[in-house]
Amino acid sequence: QSVLTQPPSVSGAPGQRVTISCTGSSSNIGAGYDVHWYQLLPGTAPKLLIYGNSNRPSGVPDRFSGSKSGTSASLAITGLQPEDEADYYCQSYDNSLSALYVFGTGTKVTVL
Amino acid sequence: QVQLVESGGGVVQPGRSLRLSCAASAFTLSSSSMHWVRQAPGKGLEWVAVMSYDGSNKYYADSVKGRFTISRDTSKNTLYLQMNSLRAEDTAVYHCARGFSGYDCFDIWGQGTMVTVSS
Repeated sequence: QSVLTQPPSVSGAPGQRVTISCTGSSSNIGAGYDVHWYQLLPGTAPKLLIYGNSNRPSGVPDRFSGSKSGTSASLAITGLQPEDEADYYCQSYDNSLSALYVFGTGTKVTVL
Repeated sequence: QVQLVESGGGVVQPGRSLRLSCAASAFTLSSSSMHWVRQAPGKGLEWVAVMSYDGSNKYYADSVKGRFTISRDTSKNTLYLQMNSLRAEDTAVYHCARGFSGYDCFDIWGQGTMVTVSS
């Protein structure tokens, strides 16, 4: 029931820059709600990576950055590191009543 | 250290019930909204339910409404998810997560507990 659309996978060599898009609709991102990003590593609890479109919690490296425009948002990873290989999900609030909080379809980042 | 630890998962037959627990450490449940989020095998994250910080409001995803109930015991600082009339499509890892004050997102997550609904 993912409402936000992400590319299934992106890849890059160490040190490169990769971006992950997150496309929503008028009931979530387009309605002005914030976009947040999470990193999922196997066997560990999901980690909040970006909140409020572009803010990093303490401890998150500044190579992670987020932006939002219209009905879409993006996560950028600059200076890709091997430890960045993980699944990434965007998330927003939705006013369509079927689910208050919606997630993206998820993107697997592979470090070549 | 702020932490959430889930328990109570297992294998259950369709139509049966199960109760998940989420023990919180280093913060009180009554200070934050609390959520359940699940991830089916090979699938993405799906929000399931939320309880407001004061316990007065509870909301559910349509997929579980009428079957799941979120609750808490403040004396034990533990969050619960009562799951009734379980279906095969409820098979997933269930995470509890803390609502991040001022933002509609989740700042602390547990590692999750696996629920398998199968005959």
